[in-house]
Amino acid sequence: DTAVSQTPKYLVTQMGNDKSIKCEQNLGHDTMYWYKQDSKKFLKIMFSYNNKELIINETVPNRFSPKSPDKAHLNLHINSLELGDSAVYFCASSQSDRVIAGELFFGEGSRLTVL
Amino acid sequence: QQQVKQSPQSLIVQKGGISIINCAYENTAFDYFPWYQQFPGKGPALLIAIRPDVSEKKEGRFTISFNKSAKQFSLHIMDSQPGDSATYFCAASIGGTYKYIFGTGTRLKVLA
Repeated sequence: DTAVSQTPKYLVTQMGNDKSIKCEQNLGHDTMYWYKQDSKKFLKIMFSYNNKELIINETVPNRFSPKSPDKAHLNLHINSLELGDSAVYFCASSQSDRVIAGELFFGEGSRLTVL
Repeated sequence: QQQVKQSPQSLIVQKGGISIINCAYENTAFDYFPWYQQFPGKGPALLIAIRPDVSEKKEGRFTISFNKSAKQFSLHIMDSQPGDSATYFCAASIGGTYKYIFGTGTRLKVLA
């Protein structure tokens, strides 16, 4: 039973298109994240939601819009895709409280290729 | 100050050898230091983690050594196996911030 699941696993699309990636976690966690991993394997936080509230919004173009309909789901919509958006996008979740950082659980990633 | 510097970028070790990956940080407010292991086509998975109140943590063949005064921590993989071949990331976090800063990763290859 997959803990953090993302769909789709692969996305190939043309520049200028709009695409979405969906994420669901069944761990009962209250915090979810989107990370971007580029071709050099660098992992960078993009967004984080705690109890459906946006708490981290890194320097990301506003073409990227996250949405958390409930604590178990976090989606990522990308408008007007550019070549530089090609990367692997990881969803993650954690049960962190206000004092102690907890383990991050990652999904298997969604590889986006923009042509 | 928010960076975590990781070295080496890549590492080749013979089967049965010891693999050592190092990380350094600047922000003394970090209070959680995990190591993640990532296999090709998979997401990173927690391998082992340490908090700054201890200097060493061991789980099986994996050990974290933590030097608070030097602001450094390292992962030691004893008796390295070909199945350990993966990319390893150190990370650091501050409780309550929900932000995890990852190192740049080390690609480990263990030769059979």
